[in-house]
Amino acid sequence: EAQVTQNPRYLITVTGKKLTVTCSQNMNHEYMSWYRQDPGLGLRQIYYSMNVEVTDKGDVPEGYKVSRKEKRNFPLILESPSPNQTSLYFCASSRDSKDSPLHFGNGTRLTVT
Amino acid sequence: QKEVEQNSGPLSVPEGAIASLNCTYSDRGSQSFFWYRQYSGKSPELIMFIYSNGDKEDGRFTAQLNKASQYVSLLIRDSQPSDSATYLCAVNGGGSTLGRLYFGRGTQLTVWP
Repeated sequence: EAQVTQNPRYLITVTGKKLTVTCSQNMNHEYMSWYRQDPGLGLRQIYYSMNVEVTDKGDVPEGYKVSRKEKRNFPLILESPSPNQTSLYFCASSRDSKDSPLHFGNGTRLTVT
Repeated sequence: QKEVEQNSGPLSVPEGAIASLNCTYSDRGSQSFFWYRQYSGKSPELIMFIYSNGDKEDGRFTAQLNKASQYVSLLIRDSQPSDSATYLCAVNGGGSTLGRLYFGRGTQLTVWP
């Protein structure tokens, strides 16, 4: 089944404790992206990648890191999480960056205390 | 910062009516336009995409694009209670922002029986 898999679905952590949210897609998609969704603010792009070893900042990259060492994986790293990073996170992929629709993962609800 | 604005809602229509959702965007270089539906607590799922001026129909859904007015809309005919969700308009970046996808804040639709 074609899908984008994120893990974990729920995560509660404390300020400053490094964490990684994994994202994997099995559709051979070139493009992958991370979004955060907050009430009243909609979906905001954190980072995106148009191909292996190519990553770029979105609207809200501060406090996040990503890497794209393989085509299928695009992990999101929070080196020192803070409470303002409490949010619902979505990973998404598409065939290309130009005009293909996004396929979303099921989301990761992160709480930083 | 590219802007995507949606009618703020919430929008409430009776079962069987036409629901009209509107979206304007600021980037004249945008070429791809998407409508996603998001149920509460779930990930967004693609409803329609449109690239050319005019109308595109898919079952009960019609997307309309007017690039000169920088306006894209979604009509839902014969609305059903199962259509109750938040609808997200998304617009790709043009030119130097290719690879970016900008979302509106969403319009919450309620279809009452």
